[in-house]
Amino acid sequence: SQTIHQWPATLVQPVGSPLSLECTVEGTSNPNLYWYRQAAGRGLQLLFYSVGIGQISSEVPQNLSASRPQDRQFILSSKKLLLSDSGFYLCAWSVIWGSGANVLTFGAGSRLTVL
Amino acid sequence: SQQGEEDPQALSIQEGENATMNCSYKTSINNLQWYRQNSGRGLVHLILIRSNEREKHSGRLRVTLDTSKKSSSLLITASRAADTASYFCATGHNAGNNRKLIWGLGTSLAVNP
Repeated sequence: SQTIHQWPATLVQPVGSPLSLECTVEGTSNPNLYWYRQAAGRGLQLLFYSVGIGQISSEVPQNLSASRPQDRQFILSSKKLLLSDSGFYLCAWSVIWGSGANVLTFGAGSRLTVL
Repeated sequence: SQQGEEDPQALSIQEGENATMNCSYKTSINNLQWYRQNSGRGLVHLILIRSNEREKHSGRLRVTLDTSKKSSSLLITASRAADTASYFCATGHNAGNNRKLIWGLGTSLAVNP
């Protein structure tokens, strides 16, 4: 069965420090991978998605970046965190159904607090 | 960008009552999905309804879709305290990139024992 792991679960970082959130998927090949951010009490904002190794699409200009060094590994990074980077970050994977539907499976999330 | 708008934003009911949440969207869709999120956790996919379907059931869940009104509703029957969560709708599209879902802001449901 497919599983998705995301870590760390909680992170408190000072402004200006680097960030690395990691996500791995097991039990599937060539998944579409996503990073979302969710502000408190709000919906989901798509940050990055990837359809294959080394293929990253950015949805929102920001000081974050994403990388996909392996088929089932997706990393969210920042060189210097801002206060506004605080939030709940969610990794997800999906496969496209034959009907064209794209159903996401999410990780447990990483709560980032920038102080 | 957000397309879906759920209403109400928050709903509080007693155990055993039915809960109805609504979602409206703006552009044509391929499908509409509902997800559930427990506090501080990731989202879990509940049900998907295609644009050519009008109603779908899964256990205590009933989803309807009215493409003429660009709206959907999620009904949870005989609610339980464990149904307390936030519920999000997300729309999938054909045009261009069908890998991105467009999300609503969610309905926060509290089921009181």
